[in-house]
Amino acid sequence: AQSVTQPDIHITVSEGASLELRCNYSYGATPYLFWYVQSPGQGLQLLLKYFSGDTLVQGIKGFEAEFKRSQSSFNLRKPSVHWSDAAEYFCAVGAGGGADGLTFGKGTHLIIQP
Amino acid sequence: NAGVTQTPKFRILKIGQSMTLQCTQDMNHNYMYWYRQDPGMGLKLIYYSVGAGITDKGEVPNGYNVSRSTTEDFPLRLELAAPSQTSVYFCASGPGLGNQPQHFGDGTRLSIL
Repeated sequence: AQSVTQPDIHITVSEGASLELRCNYSYGATPYLFWYVQSPGQGLQLLLKYFSGDTLVQGIKGFEAEFKRSQSSFNLRKPSVHWSDAAEYFCAVGAGGGADGLTFGKGTHLIIQP
Repeated sequence: NAGVTQTPKFRILKIGQSMTLQCTQDMNHNYMYWYRQDPGMGLKLIYYSVGAGITDKGEVPNGYNVSRSTTEDFPLRLELAAPSQTSVYFCASGPGLGNQPQHFGDGTRLSIL
């Protein structure tokens, strides 16, 4: 069975600083990987996805993520965070192409300091 | 541009009551999903459907039932509400293709007292 680990429950970053959120996955085949963001009281919005090809993927809101097969990682990055980036971030892996549901990590809560 | 619509947004139930959480999507997606989100636990799959008339259990199906009579609708039923079912419930839909993401509704916050 697949699994996703997000090692950091909370991360605090100063506005304007760079950000990296960690995600490690366990899956036997080539994974389908996703990053979602959840603002308070809202649903999940897709930031970016990886399924094949270039290992560095670009997403919305200036985010990017890099797939590293050797490290089973799919870390999310942003060069300069804005106060509006404060939210909960979820990494997810899809098995069978994701058709039978996604497996989510427990999430990382991002706090932005002024 | 509605996407995935969930109703109600909030609900308080007494132990033993029943209710149905509604979910409808207008993207003509074959695949639909129900997840629950508990604090610090991420989202866990309750049930999913690959098309009208076809449903299957996810990771945490106990205490829930689903049906899929149309492509658009995928209601989730709680028959005998228990405090352990206090959670935020998310419905999602997708085309079922591996490189295509799921689209989520805004959630239903349910409290069982």
